[in-house]
Amino acid sequence: QQQVKQSPQSLIVQKGGISIINCAYENTAFDYFPWYQQFPGKGPALLIAIRPDVSEKKEGRFTISFNKSAKQFSLHIMDSQPGDSATYFCAASGSPRKLIWGLGTSLAVNP
Amino acid sequence: NAGVTQTPKFRILKIGQSMTLQCTQDMNHNYMYWYRQDPGMGLKLIYYSVGAGITDKGEVPNGYNVSRSTTEDFPLRLELAAPSQTSVYFCASSGVGQGLNEQYFGPGTRLTVT
Repeated sequence: QQQVKQSPQSLIVQKGGISIINCAYENTAFDYFPWYQQFPGKGPALLIAIRPDVSEKKEGRFTISFNKSAKQFSLHIMDSQPGDSATYFCAASGSPRKLIWGLGTSLAVNP
Repeated sequence: NAGVTQTPKFRILKIGQSMTLQCTQDMNHNYMYWYRQDPGMGLKLIYYSVGAGITDKGEVPNGYNVSRSTTEDFPLRLELAAPSQTSVYFCASSGVGQGLNEQYFGPGTRLTVT
């Protein structure tokens, strides 16, 4: 049973456009929601994370929007660049820091 | 700091063989994890450890064993390798305390069982 559902599976965006990836979770005990970025042949790396006491967090071109009542959160990449082409994973966790991962979104940004 | 290091980078095993995947972190992190990543399937937790001498099963522990004798090292043992264990294996670590949830990943080990 998958507790974190991620969509879309793949995404193609033009340079300068906005990339949006969505995730939904089931367990209301989750209290930490990170997004990880993975380039081919590398391990995932933390991009940005949010806790449920805020509805939005922005770091540079990357923004997480969080809707606690809907149990959904999303990643927005503004002014998408070819260097953003990677696989993005959402995740969620409660205690003791065991992350439950979405299946990933392969993002391609066309120049 | 080297962060999280994994060896080997690549390995081909024959069915029934055994091997140990090594993982070391130099960040003094209490938490360590082993994941496997299969195409289109995200990351699945195999085992994790909350400190030296303490390990616990994740989602997919069958066919694997771990030990944690030191804070730094968290080796993953594959006994009687099977084709279903063909995957990319990632080790990760994280600290303890508020704001220290980030998991730092190693570069991965690509394992093929034939």
